[in-house]
Amino acid sequence: GAGVSQSPRYKVAKRGQDVALRCDPISGHVSLFWYQQALGQGPEFLTYFQNEAQLDKSGLPSDRFFAERPEGSVSTLKIQRTQQEDSAVYLCASSPQRGSYEQYFGPGTRLTVT
Amino acid sequence: DAKTTQPNSMESNEEEPVHLPCNHSTISGTDYIHWYRQLPSQGPEYVIHGLTSNVNNRMASLAIAEDRKSSTLILHRATLRDAAVYYCILPLAGGTSYGKLTFGQGTILTVHP
Repeated sequence: GAGVSQSPRYKVAKRGQDVALRCDPISGHVSLFWYQQALGQGPEFLTYFQNEAQLDKSGLPSDRFFAERPEGSVSTLKIQRTQQEDSAVYLCASSPQRGSYEQYFGPGTRLTVT
Repeated sequence: DAKTTQPNSMESNEEEPVHLPCNHSTISGTDYIHWYRQLPSQGPEYVIHGLTSNVNNRMASLAIAEDRKSSTLILHRATLRDAAVYYCILPLAGGTSYGKLTFGQGTILTVHP
């Protein structure tokens, strides 16, 4: 079956540009997570949705980062006025129920800010 | 937070068993131990999890020490496709109820043909 998909797979942005990264979770999955992975590091939590509700955004690094999941399925992570330190792989994961540590990850979007 | 400690890297030969250790001396009684792996240029992939008893699935086995302060992920016959970063993950102490994963540095496993 279809897994988690993310688009675009690669994004190059000039410093100061806005970007939008899309995540299509597995159909019917309640929980959706965004993680950020810097080069050579493990993924770090950004934000969590249960259906359309954003229950935790404590990992978002600044107010330039914004995420939404308006209909409880597709999610978009938006970064405004990108900076070089935003260069990373952005991973989306979904799971069928709240509280499950068994998550299904997408391939990620590699963002490079020049 | 329940902290985990893993070796930075390990090496194995193809078709040999691999034992990947993880120390978690501050684990609480109700913390499950989860293992994920990340193949090059891919997102992390769930491998296995356990609480007290040893666990087996089609991918690996998880051996948990009796005092639960350490665990070992066992790949019974390593293949080249098992070359990845392996992460041992525990829940955040007093943390959320929704499954937020906290990855550390993990162990880079190299498999030689």
